[in-house]
Amino acid sequence: GENVEQHPSTLSVQEGDSAVIKCTYSDSASNYFPWYKQELGKGPQLIIDIRSNVGEKKDQRIAVTLNKTAKHFSLHITETQPEDSAVYFCAASGSTGGFKTIFGAGTRLFVKA
Amino acid sequence: NAGVTQTPKFRILKIGQSMTLQCTQDMNHNYMYWYRQDPGMGLKLIYYSVGAGITDKGEVPNGYNVSRSTTEDFPLRLELAAPSQTSVYFCASSYPYQGLMYSPLHFGNGTRLTVT
Repeated sequence: GENVEQHPSTLSVQEGDSAVIKCTYSDSASNYFPWYKQELGKGPQLIIDIRSNVGEKKDQRIAVTLNKTAKHFSLHITETQPEDSAVYFCAASGSTGGFKTIFGAGTRLFVKA
Repeated sequence: NAGVTQTPKFRILKIGQSMTLQCTQDMNHNYMYWYRQDPGMGLKLIYYSVGAGITDKGEVPNGYNVSRSTTEDFPLRLELAAPSQTSVYFCASSYPYQGLMYSPLHFGNGTRLTVT
C-alpha cells in the first residue's frame, strides 16, 4: 500500500524566516497531495493542496511543489509568524487505495518571536 | 453549518469496557472516515464509509466496529477496550468529485480516549 514519509519531525524557525517541510510517497499512482495544519486541541484543517498535473501552487505565504518523477512534494511557508506554529501533515491519495488518504507522521513547527 | 461534530471530547475507560464515539456531519457528504492519532505516528485510518449502509476496513480496524445507517451519522464502537486503544480519534468527511480524484477531508475536533 501507499506510504508517506515526512521530514523533519520538528522544525524551529525565527519569526520572518522561511520553513520547508518535505514528503515522499511510494505509490506512483497517487494523484492528489493535500497539506493539513493542526492546532492544539483541534482537528487537522486543509491549508493547501496540489494535483498531479501541476508542479507548483501558491497561496499568499504558502506554496507547495510536486516532483512526480522523484515522488517528492514540499510545503514552503515564507515570512513565518507565531500563529504558524502548529503540526503540519502531508498526505497522498488517489493511489491503488482510491480515495483513501494516507498521512505522513507530521512536523511540529515552532515559530519564535 | 456546524461541519463535523464529535462527542464526547474526552473519555476514560477501564479495560474491558465498551463505548461508542459519536460523529455527525451536516454537509451532506457521502464519504466518512475514522482515524486515530498517536504521538509521532500521523493519522491511521480505522474504518470508512462511502454511503449509508456501506462500510469497509482501513489500516487498523481490529478492536473496532462501525455502522452507517444515515448519511449524517457514523458512530465508532469500541468493544472490550484495551490500553492500546488509548489515542485521539478523529472523524472526517469528504465529498468526492472529479471522479474521486480530488477530495479534501473535513475533520471534527476529536475525542481523546484513555483506557486504564
